[in-house]
Parts: sequence; structure tokens; C-alpha cells
Amino acid sequence: GAVVSQHPSRVICKSGTSVKIECRSLDFQATTMFWYRQFPKQSLMLMATSNEGSKATYEQGVEKDKFLINHASLTLSTLTVTSAHPEDSSFYICSAPRQGPQETQYFGPGTRLLVL
Amino acid sequence: AQSVSQHNHHVILSEAASLELGCNYSYGGTVNLFWYVQYPGQHLQLLLKYFSGDPLVKGIKGFEAEFIKSKFSFNLRKPSVQWSDTAEYFCAVGSSGTYKYIFGTGTRLKVLA
Repeated sequence: GAVVSQHPSRVICKSGTSVKIECRSLDFQATTMFWYRQFPKQSLMLMATSNEGSKATYEQGVEKDKFLINHASLTLSTLTVTSAHPEDSSFYICSAPRQGPQETQYFGPGTRLLVL
Repeated sequence: AQSVSQHNHHVILSEAASLELGCNYSYGGTVNLFWYVQYPGQHLQLLLKYFSGDPLVKGIKGFEAEFIKSKFSFNLRKPSVQWSDTAEYFCAVGSSGTYKYIFGTGTRLKVLA
């Protein structure tokens, strides 16, 4: 079964509004989570690393003021798309690594954002 | 620059045909290699991974992949595909211990019954 959940699975909003996407690890703690963005027919692009208890680290070219990340607890990270515009429409996926002898990373089911 | 290339964007096969999906990477240092599958409407699932050791890796659902260091390749294979293998397949590369992955563009596989 799924070990990482995302909410909502789909959201439609008007241009200029902010949208919050939640990512939860269901049965393990994750001090680090990752946020990816997937454009149609393209690859997943890493946006940022969400760190529990400290600031997120953003990949080059990703606007940190546009995509606010808060790692509120060891099982929850949120991505807020502020003042969304149509070009922010995309599929957002989070992932969480589970500590162990070999790294295992679980991906959420994704959130489809459509900005009108 | 670090990159992952998947050469086949769309593949259509009949059931029982053999499958090979190419993946080449450009990455400095020690790498971990992964193949993920995404069935329609579902999240990414790990098919197999390579960290070290035997370069021929066996994964779930009859898939395997071979790491060829000299060719910077990690091709995915399955001897006989099934209709249920219809999905999108992603190759990913990560630097050991970072959990940060670079993904290929994906290959959409359609298996005809």
C-alpha cells in the first residue's frame, strides 16, 4: 500500500490565488522530503528539498518565494504555490526517503494543479 | 552536466514480446541507479535498483536491468511482456546517500493484448 500520501490529488484555482499541497509519510518519519514537478510528456524535475526543522533548499531556477515549503513535522511537508499563474499548472509529486540499510524512497501519488 | 537519457519515448509491443528500454546517464562520482514504473493513475513504484555488486539486477514482476559502467548504461529488460505492463517507465540516477534523483524523460509502453 501507499506509504506517502498527497492532498489534494487535484486542484483547480483562479490565477492569483495560493494553493497548498500536503505530503505525508504514513508509517515512517522523514526528516527530508523532496518536491518534484512533472510537465506533460516530460521528466520529473526536482524543485526542492524539504528539511524538517530548517529551511528548504531549492534547485537552481526554482523561485523560493513562489514555491513556499514548510516541513512542519517528521511526517508532513507542505508546498504552497503562491499567487499561482497558468504557467504553474503542472503535476507536483513529493517523495520521502525511508532510512534503512539501503536507501528506499517512496513517492506520493501526485497533485495535479490547474490554474485558470 | 548531469543528465539521464531514455531513448525510447513510446514503445508498442504485443503480449509475449521481449522488452528492452534504454537508459544512459552522465553523472560524476558514484551513482545509484533506479527504474520506476508509473501505472495509469498511480504513483511511481520502484521496479529495481542498483547500488553495487552484481551488475545484473533483478526486480519485481520479472524485470531486470544491467549496469554497464563502460557504457554509462542501465537498460531495463523483460523477456515476455504482459498487457498489465502497460505503463510509463522512468530511469533515475542518484548520488549515493543524497536521495536526490535525476529522472529520464520516461518511456510510455503499451502492450497490446
